[in-house]
Amino acid sequence: DAGVTQSPTHLIKTRGQHVTLRCSPISGHKSVSWYQQVLGQGPQFIFQYYEKEERGRGNFPDRFSARQFPNYSSELNVNALLLGDSALYLCASSFRQGASDTQYFGPGTRLTVL
Amino acid sequence: QKEVEQDPGPLSVPEGAIVSLNCTYSNSAFQYFMWYRQYSRKGPELLMYTYSSGNKEDGRFTAQVDKSSKYISLFIRDSQPSDSATYLCAMSGGGSYIPTFGRGTSLIVHP
Repeated sequence: DAGVTQSPTHLIKTRGQHVTLRCSPISGHKSVSWYQQVLGQGPQFIFQYYEKEERGRGNFPDRFSARQFPNYSSELNVNALLLGDSALYLCASSFRQGASDTQYFGPGTRLTVL
Repeated sequence: QKEVEQDPGPLSVPEGAIVSLNCTYSNSAFQYFMWYRQYSRKGPELLMYTYSSGNKEDGRFTAQVDKSSKYISLFIRDSQPSDSATYLCAMSGGGSYIPTFGRGTSLIVHP
């Protein structure tokens, strides 16, 4: 059974540009979460979507947005990129959105902003 | 003070050693405790999942939770060079289903 998949693997952008990252959850999982992981730090929560609705938002500016599609895949969009947005962006899926529902991570998209 | 504290290391041990990795936390409402392993430039992989206090064993790995001390541990027996990775603790509960992660401990197991 396929795990969480993310695309692209790597991405290089310049300041001020826009980026879209994509995630496909494990089959049967209805919840998708997005995290930002800066080098040397743990993942920081950005968004959670469950059944196509936003169910949680972390402490990130409005330049970050996301959505979930009817097939439960998800997109993370970041506008007006800053140098500080350079990080590994992780997508995690879980069956539901509860605290007891463990999250399974994808390989991540490494974003470099120049 | 961060909600979850984890020593970044690196922790360097010889092959075959018993490794002890630890996290402390401040939120007494946490009930779900997880350990993830992350290889360089890869996504975290779930290793252990524990609810409330107690021990859980899976092969060479043992997870311990001491809620009274707000302290969790991961023990790795007979460590192998392939165990070299960053180990992240994470926890959730108390009305929040979003896990809070530690910064990770870098483990190096040398032959």
